[in-house]
Amino acid sequence: GDSVTQMEGPVTLSEEAFLTINCTYTATGYPSLFWYVQYPGEGLQLLLKATKADDKGSNKGFEATYRKETTSFHLEKGSVQVSDSAVYFCALSGANFGNEKLTFGTGTRLTIIP
Amino acid sequence: IAGITQAPTSQILAAGRRMTLRCTQDMRHNAMYWYRQDLGLGLRLIHYSNTAGTTGKGEVPDGYSVSRANTDDFPLTLASAVPSQTSVYFCASSGGSGDTQYFGPGTRLTVL
Repeated sequence: GDSVTQMEGPVTLSEEAFLTINCTYTATGYPSLFWYVQYPGEGLQLLLKATKADDKGSNKGFEATYRKETTSFHLEKGSVQVSDSAVYFCALSGANFGNEKLTFGTGTRLTIIP
Repeated sequence: IAGITQAPTSQILAAGRRMTLRCTQDMRHNAMYWYRQDLGLGLRLIHYSNTAGTTGKGEVPDGYSVSRANTDDFPLTLASAVPSQTSVYFCASSGGSGDTQYFGPGTRLTVL
């Protein structure tokens, strides 16, 4: 079945550092790929998404490119801020149930130190 | 403000008790979902509904039931709670194939 593997955390970086959170997936067909962010005490929010190979999703300075050849969707940001501290989830949407069932990775906790 | 509401925010429950978690959306989305979030496991799908009147089982449905009497509401029921159902529960909705899922704020449930 579908699965998502993302780098284990926690990840701690200094402010203005470069961020990469790795995400790879296994899926049949052509899934859509997502990054969700969960700030402390809140629900998940969509950060960005890509629906086909070579698409780049971007939002709030974060980017991720849908790489079908490497089955990857790594999240990057050039200069992180303290406000980026959160848990980040990579996810894919397949058509297993004829709907948009999401399969999530286990999450990566990111802490940014001033 | 449009979105998804969940109730209660948190609950402590004795094992064996029945509990219903409520979820309401006002975006007129066809599809709704229930996930549980556990440390180290990410989010796992419990049940889903493609449209009012239909439901389906997700990855971890045992011990849970759902109903979808109308478009807006999607309650999740634990018939007889067990400690392993201690978790944070998130409801989500989406408008259609390929559409983004929108999440509620979650319900933290502790079963003692």
